[in-house]
Amino acid sequence: EDQVTQSPEALRLQEGESSSLNCSYTVSGLRGLFWYRQDPGKGPEFLFTLYSAGEEKEKERLKATLTKKESFLHITAPKPEDSATYLCAVQARNNDMRFGAGTRLTVKP
Amino acid sequence: DGGITQSPKYLFRKEGQNVTLSCEQNLNHDAMYWYRQDPGQGLRLIYYSQIVNDFQKGDIAEGYSVSREKKESFPLTVTSAQKNPTAFYLCASIRDRLNTEAFFGQGTRLTVV
Repeated sequence: EDQVTQSPEALRLQEGESSSLNCSYTVSGLRGLFWYRQDPGKGPEFLFTLYSAGEEKEKERLKATLTKKESFLHITAPKPEDSATYLCAVQARNNDMRFGAGTRLTVKP
Repeated sequence: DGGITQSPKYLFRKEGQNVTLSCEQNLNHDAMYWYRQDPGQGLRLIYYSQIVNDFQKGDIAEGYSVSREKKESFPLTVTSAQKNPTAFYLCASIRDRLNTEAFFGQGTRLTVV
C-alpha cells in the first residue's frame, strides 16, 4: 500500500537557524512528489513538484530534493513568516495523490 | 484569473441532511480530488477523478458521493450516512501528463449541528 510519512511532526527554530524536513514514501510507480505549505484555515499552497531521483528545486529560502525513498525540504535562514505546516504528497501510477500528516514549523524571532 | 474555487466557505448542516460542496476550476486541469482534513491531521483522500464521467474511491469514500459531468466541476455530496461529517474539505486539481502541478481551493468548513 502507498504510504507517506513526514518527520518531525513539529519543529521549532530560531530565526536564521537552517534545518530540513523529511518525507519518506513507498509508492507503486511514482509520478510526482509534491510539497505544499498550509496556513491555518487555508487551503495548501503549492510549492514544488519533483519527478525523479536526483532532482532539486529551489524557491527563495526553500530547496526540495528527491531520492528513490525520500524527499527533503531544506529551509535556509528561516524567517518567522515561514511558520506554517508543510505537507508532502505523492502521486502514484494510478493517479491517486496521498499526503503525509505534515510538519508544523514554528520560527521564533 | 485561473484558479480553483470552492463554495461555500462555511456550511452548517443538520443531522440527517445531505449537503453538496462545490468545486470549480478554470485551469483546464484533467484530474480533480476531494480531501477531508480533521484538526491537527493530514489530508485523507475521499474521491478522485481523472476524466469526465469517471471517478475512483479514495480511502474514506463511505458516506460521500461525487459526479464529474463537466471537466471544470467536481461536486461532493456529504450524505446522511457519513457518521462524522464535521471537517474541513479541500478540493484539488492537477494538470496531468506533461505538467503535474497541483492546486487547491481554499476549502469548505462543514459543521453538523
